[in-house]
Amino acid sequence: SAVISQKPSRDICQRGTSLTIQCQVDSQVTMMFWYRQQPGQSLTLIATANQGSEATYESGFVIDKFPISRPNLTFSTLTVSNMSPEDSSIYLCSVGINTDTQYFGPGTRLTVL
Amino acid sequence: GNSVTQMEGPVTLSEEAFLTINCTYTATGYPSLFWYVQYPGEGLQLLLKATKADDKGSNKGFEATYRKETTSFHLEKGSVQVSDSAVYFCALRIGDAGGTSYGKLTFGQGTILTVHP
Repeated sequence: SAVISQKPSRDICQRGTSLTIQCQVDSQVTMMFWYRQQPGQSLTLIATANQGSEATYESGFVIDKFPISRPNLTFSTLTVSNMSPEDSSIYLCSVGINTDTQYFGPGTRLTVL
Repeated sequence: GNSVTQMEGPVTLSEEAFLTINCTYTATGYPSLFWYVQYPGEGLQLLLKATKADDKGSNKGFEATYRKETTSFHLEKGSVQVSDSAVYFCALRIGDAGGTSYGKLTFGQGTILTVHP
């Protein structure tokens, strides 16, 4: 398995601002992912964070709204830009350790006022 | 496309009762199947997995069998505890064409389980 930490654990932000969420893993991993969990809902994949290249976004998610960085094999950031109350969610990063299993970070609980 | 359908909750049980949470899936290809658990205020934890038909995943007294003929992966536990109260997510992953990459996870809607003493 892997130890995954996220910062911040929670935040309350004003409409129109941006928040950058950090994800740190205690070992080098090839694949890192960012998910969103809206209140009372399941998880939806936002994008795959690729080291050394642009992230791969899922349908309905765009780079301008959710820019992602992946500078090395242990770290990634997700920015939620120009936030609105609809962006209030839990944002989770996950990593793929072997060919079948993903492990998740503790999540960042975001509230947008 | 790929999808996962879970038994609607919430599910409320007394301690030591038998638990079943139903999960069925639709997938192109041959998925790997997972159950994740989310305890209150925490992130997701992998509970168990099965990677091919007829495999049984098990952990912490929970088990689920990959049934290709019924496209199901129902979660069961013989005797639940108060500490099992959590949200349970069924998920599937389709491997990439190369067969070695991780592929994205598709989640069911989650089932809230509450166990009373």
